[in-house]
Amino acid sequence: DAKTTQPNSMESNEEEPVHLPCNHSTISGTDYIHWYRQLPSQGPEYVIHGLTSNVNNRMASLAIAEDRKSSTLILHRATLRDAAVYYCILKTSGNTPLVFGKGTRLSVIA
Amino acid sequence: DSGVTQTPKHLITATGQRVTLRCSPRSGDLSVYWYQQSLDQGLQFLIQYYNGEERAKGNILERFSAQQFPDLHSELNLSSLELGDSALYFCASSVVAPKPTGTGIYRNTGELFFGEGSRLTVL
Repeated sequence: DAKTTQPNSMESNEEEPVHLPCNHSTISGTDYIHWYRQLPSQGPEYVIHGLTSNVNNRMASLAIAEDRKSSTLILHRATLRDAAVYYCILKTSGNTPLVFGKGTRLSVIA
Repeated sequence: DSGVTQTPKHLITATGQRVTLRCSPRSGDLSVYWYQQSLDQGLQFLIQYYNGEERAKGNILERFSAQQFPDLHSELNLSSLELGDSALYFCASSVVAPKPTGTGIYRNTGELFFGEGSRLTVL
């Protein structure tokens, strides 16, 4: 799997938008960009994924650069519950496992 | 609640012992994945099963083995336990959805659902 690069940690104020960046300069044409998060003492949780176009769901938005070499996970209004480690993962379609990196630890300040 | 059930939630045992961790995937999910998370190694993929067959192997030690049964539940067996095996062990299952054309051919959307984990402590 192609590698991703994320900042080790980020901090946000509650109710502010958060932009979590991810670089994946070696992404291949068949790689999907997945985001998962892991809340303290819980298993990872799916957030969003996309291929080329920007994606929105009830949890977040995913903005994908035109050359697909980077992407940004956007939390529109951070809450204390959003404090977690966020993982950006490249994954081919189909029945393949996720390979986790170190992720970004997001802290949310009240 | 992800729909993936793991038991036991906590397990304490001694070095040299053997334990079995159990995972029940979401209803209808054919793939099961096992991951290990320790403080210094992060989330490591161990092994994947699909409909009873081994599909992919990651950093799984020879002392560890897994299987998936006909009812699709899976077990991870850890033997000759060492202190370094203390970790959280997560099971995940993947979404399998029929193609929109209704051909009955199932595709994997790539989304994994994780259980709450089994915390193993080896003393």
